[in-house]
Amino acid sequence: DAGVTQSPTHLIKTRGQQVTLRCSPKSGHDTVSWYQQALGQGPQFIFQYYEEEERQRGNFPDRFSGHQFPNYSSELNVNALLLGDSALYLCASSLESRGDTGELFFGEGSRLTVL
Amino acid sequence: GDSVTQMEGPVTLSEEAFLTINCTYTATGYPSLFWYVQYPGEGLQLLLKATKADDKGSNKGFEATYRKETTSFHLEKGSVQVSDSAVYFCALSDWVTGGGNKLTFGTGTQLKVEL
Repeated sequence: DAGVTQSPTHLIKTRGQQVTLRCSPKSGHDTVSWYQQALGQGPQFIFQYYEEEERQRGNFPDRFSGHQFPNYSSELNVNALLLGDSALYLCASSLESRGDTGELFFGEGSRLTVL
Repeated sequence: GDSVTQMEGPVTLSEEAFLTINCTYTATGYPSLFWYVQYPGEGLQLLLKATKADDKGSNKGFEATYRKETTSFHLEKGSVQVSDSAVYFCALSDWVTGGGNKLTFGTGTQLKVEL
């Protein structure tokens, strides 16, 4: 049973560029959330996708956008990259029907470095 | 808004020592509480959870009790091993009707266990 997979694992961009990160949820999961983890910090919630719609969003600017596909996979896009966007981006999947007691399964993350 | 405060690290212990990592939270509702662990080079893994007051979560010798009166969820283990060296994150869930589940994390506590 494949867990959550993310790609790429590492990438380097320069300021002003755009980046797309990809996530495949755990088999059977229908909800995907994205988190940003800065070095030495806890993950911060970016947004969540369910039924191909963004339904909850954290305190992140519109430069951060996403998409969920019919097969439940998801993309995170960041435009106009800033140095401060350098972080580990984590994708987590879950099953909507489990509610708030359901576990979030995390991928290993995509480490973005902005120069 | 919701927040999680956990003790700062790093925490360095000798093998077989007793471990406590303090975690307190602020929430408007009745969240579920979680401890996640992040081993070097790996993604976040759920360690244990508790979904209501006085519940005790336990796994791999770790345990934590949901204390509503003190808004705490301290992590304990009676005898740590070198393999327990990792970063531990306390988190709470915020379930929004129609909005899904969002985790709020603490900043993490790094644990190093030495022989």
